[in-house]
Amino acid sequence: AQTVTQSQPEMSVQEAETVTLSCTYDTSESDYYLFWYKQPPSRQMILVIRQEAYKQQNATENRFSVNFQKAAKSFSLKISDSQLGDAAMYFCAYNRRDDKIIFGKGTRLHILP
Amino acid sequence: DAGITQSPRHKVTETGTPVTLRCHQTENHRYMYWYRQDPGHGLRLIHYSYGVKDTDKGEVSDGYSVSRSKTEDFLLTLESATSSQTSVYFCAISRGGSTDTQYFGPGTRLTVL
Repeated sequence: AQTVTQSQPEMSVQEAETVTLSCTYDTSESDYYLFWYKQPPSRQMILVIRQEAYKQQNATENRFSVNFQKAAKSFSLKISDSQLGDAAMYFCAYNRRDDKIIFGKGTRLHILP
Repeated sequence: DAGITQSPRHKVTETGTPVTLRCHQTENHRYMYWYRQDPGHGLRLIHYSYGVKDTDKGEVSDGYSVSRSKTEDFLLTLESATSSQTSVYFCAISRGGSTDTQYFGPGTRLTVL
């Protein structure tokens, strides 16, 4: 069965610094999708970034980028120039076509002013 | 923001009573999902729908049923609520299945006494 592991329950970073959130997953598939979702205190779940496994190029969205290591089954999220509004719970998720999405347990990110 | 609403937003009920949560979308997306979020577990899929009257079970479906008689509405029913079903419930929608980006509703906090 596929699993998604986020080994850091909580992290803190100074405002304007860079932080990396870790995610590893277990799968025997070669075609799948990976996601990072953000959940701020408002509880709304918001897509941060999406990566298709067959694409070697790492996805980026403004200050957010991923380091996708397919062989290592690793999908880390890098946040550059951290801002107070980045404080949230971040969830890594895995999905294979025609299957159900599986979420990790989340990493709570604190931004220190 | 995707047009997704959930009702009610908060509910307190007693053990053994039936409860129905409603998810309404204005996006005409084919796929709809119900998740529950609990501390230490992340988000877990309860049920999902891939069209009107087409539904399937997720990871934690015991004690829950769903119905979708219209594209825009997806109902989650707790047939006889138990304290273990105290949780925050999220509805999500996607256009092209679970590998596509999911857009989440604001959540419903349910407390079963």
